[in-house]
Amino acid sequence: QVNLVQSGAEVKKPGASVRVSCTASGYTFNTYAITWVRQAPGQGLEWMGWISVYNGDTRYAQKLQGRVTMTTDTSTSTAYMELRSLRSDDTAVYFCVRGHYGFLAEMDVWGKGTTVTVSS
Amino acid sequence: QAVLTQPPSASGTPGQRVTISCSGSSSNIESNYVYWYQQLPGTAPQLLIYRNNQRPSGVPGRFSGSKSGTSASLAISGLRSEDEADYYCAAWDDSLRVVFGGGTKLTVL
Repeated sequence: QVNLVQSGAEVKKPGASVRVSCTASGYTFNTYAITWVRQAPGQGLEWMGWISVYNGDTRYAQKLQGRVTMTTDTSTSTAYMELRSLRSDDTAVYFCVRGHYGFLAEMDVWGKGTTVTVSS
Repeated sequence: QAVLTQPPSASGTPGQRVTISCSGSSSNIESNYVYWYQQLPGTAPQLLIYRNNQRPSGVPGRFSGSKSGTSASLAISGLRSEDEADYYCAAWDDSLRVVFGGGTKLTVL
């Protein structure tokens, strides 16, 4: 059974950093990309970027450039998303998603989400 | 503000057919596949329609997708109470990013 298991909820102060992990199982990790999507409370879905598990290439949303880093560890089939200089409007549920190379909007397996709360 | 435009809400009675529209541009919907995601309350989104009109295994045939030019639509026939959810369209944009619609909240009356 294909599954993405994410790390637990985080509470951070403004200016801090957060790292969310996402461990894949049930498929060959490097044959799919990992995309990160977030959803602020009561809001819609926002694409944050993606990483090629195969070669490490990344592409980030312009508004997050310079604050976000996506990485993978193929030895543990785990993807990571680090967001720095947190602000209150970064409060959201963060989803890792399996994406298809060549069809990156095709996201067929979603993690359950990690709630990140930024508050002083 | 979302790049793709969806109506914020839609509604129907059980058994009815409802459609949800998604409007984009030449750089996303017109030149790339459209996807639809269903998000049930309190859960992660799930893929409902892929590559304009294909259903993943397990998705009932009541759900169908179509695309024409810079617009796409999701149709749900034989509406059921369990279809009450938020629906999002998405597409690849030629600016090298995934773009989403703002979401449509479907209410089954």
